[in-house]
Parts: sequence; structure tokens; C-alpha cells
Amino acid sequence: AQRVTQPEKLLSVFKGAPVELKCNYSYSGSPELFWYVQYSRQRLQLLLRHISRESIKGFTADLNKGETSFHLKKPFAQEEDSAMYYCALSGSSNTGKLIFGQGTTLQVKP
Amino acid sequence: EAEVAQSPRYKITEKSQAVAFWCDPISGHATLYWYRQILGQGPELLVQFQDESVVDDSQLPKDRFSAERLKGVDSTLKIQPAELGDSAMYLCASSLAVDRKKYFGAGTRLSVL
Repeated sequence: AQRVTQPEKLLSVFKGAPVELKCNYSYSGSPELFWYVQYSRQRLQLLLRHISRESIKGFTADLNKGETSFHLKKPFAQEEDSAMYYCALSGSSNTGKLIFGQGTTLQVKP
Repeated sequence: EAEVAQSPRYKITEKSQAVAFWCDPISGHATLYWYRQILGQGPELLVQFQDESVVDDSQLPKDRFSAERLKGVDSTLKIQPAELGDSAMYLCASSLAVDRKKYFGAGTRLSVL
């Protein structure tokens, strides 16, 4: 079964601390993995995708096929990073359908 | 920057009533998605259109939900009759193609009393 698991509902850190939002997936194939973010009172938007292998707003994520994980990391959290983060996968069916995890709220305290 | 438009933003209805949500994708976007997001969960795909054709409606409760995208532009999602468990945020998203970046609307929050 296709599934995305985000084990933490809430992650609270202090400004300047490192952040790691965990994401594990279950998929029998080669999925494409994404991180989406929703800031307060804003729309859900794409943060990054694994095939781009880029850093957005200081965030990076590496796909680990052996551990079926796609954790989101940032070395130094900023208050403006406080938001809801969703991990999602798109399978190889070429429909573009996204399967989302339950989301993790990141709270960065001053 | 162009945005996906959804209306209404909020809808309160009573059980067994009919409700409808509207989505206007970004101009030129051929692919349109309707997602349902229950409080505390991630969005779940209900239906996907490619132009005016349904590509995936496997998770759409077809006994009460219907969706259409006449002319391949804007789309309507209908629920009849609404049930208490339908209370959720209904999100619309669009993209140029299935493998391109998806843009989400602000959503319609439905409360069924």
C-alpha cells in the first residue's frame, strides 16, 4: 500500500537550533517525494522536490531509498519557518496524484 | 502571480442538504485536482481531471459526491446529501500537466451540522 508517515504531530525548537522533520514512505516502486508547507493563513505550497536536489529557504531533503525516508532538514531554524509541513509522494502511475502524510507543525520559539 | 480561485470560502449546511463548491484553476492549466482534508490529516485526493476528462476518481464516494469540469476550465464539486462526516476542508489544485508544479487554492471549509 502507498503510504506516507510523519511520526511527529508537533516539533518545537528554539531559534537557531537544527530542525529535522521526519518522513517515511511505503511504495513498491520509484516514487517522487515532495515537501509542502502551509504558513499561517496562506495556501499550501510546494517547498521542494527530491529530484531537484536543491535547497529552498535553507531546507534540504535527501531521499534514502534503503530506509524509505525523506527527512526535511535545516541547520538553523528561524521564527518564520513556523508552519505546517507535509511530506507527499507521487507514484509511477504518471497521474501526478499526491499522497500526503498527516503533517507536522513546526514551532520555532524566539 | 495567478492563483487558483475557490468559492465559497466557508459553507455551513445541515445534514442531508446539497452543497456545491467551485474552483477556477490558473489559466492554461490542463490538470485539476480536488482534495479533501479532514482536520488533523493530510489532504486526500477525491478526483483528478485532465482537461474535461476524469483521470482518477477512485476515492470519490460516488453515491453522494459528483464532480464535473465542463469545457475543461472551471470545476464544480457537489455533495448530495451531505453527512456529518463530510465536514472538512476541500482543496482544489491545478497544474500545467501531471508532472508539473501544483498550485493550491485557499480551500472551502465545510461544516455539516
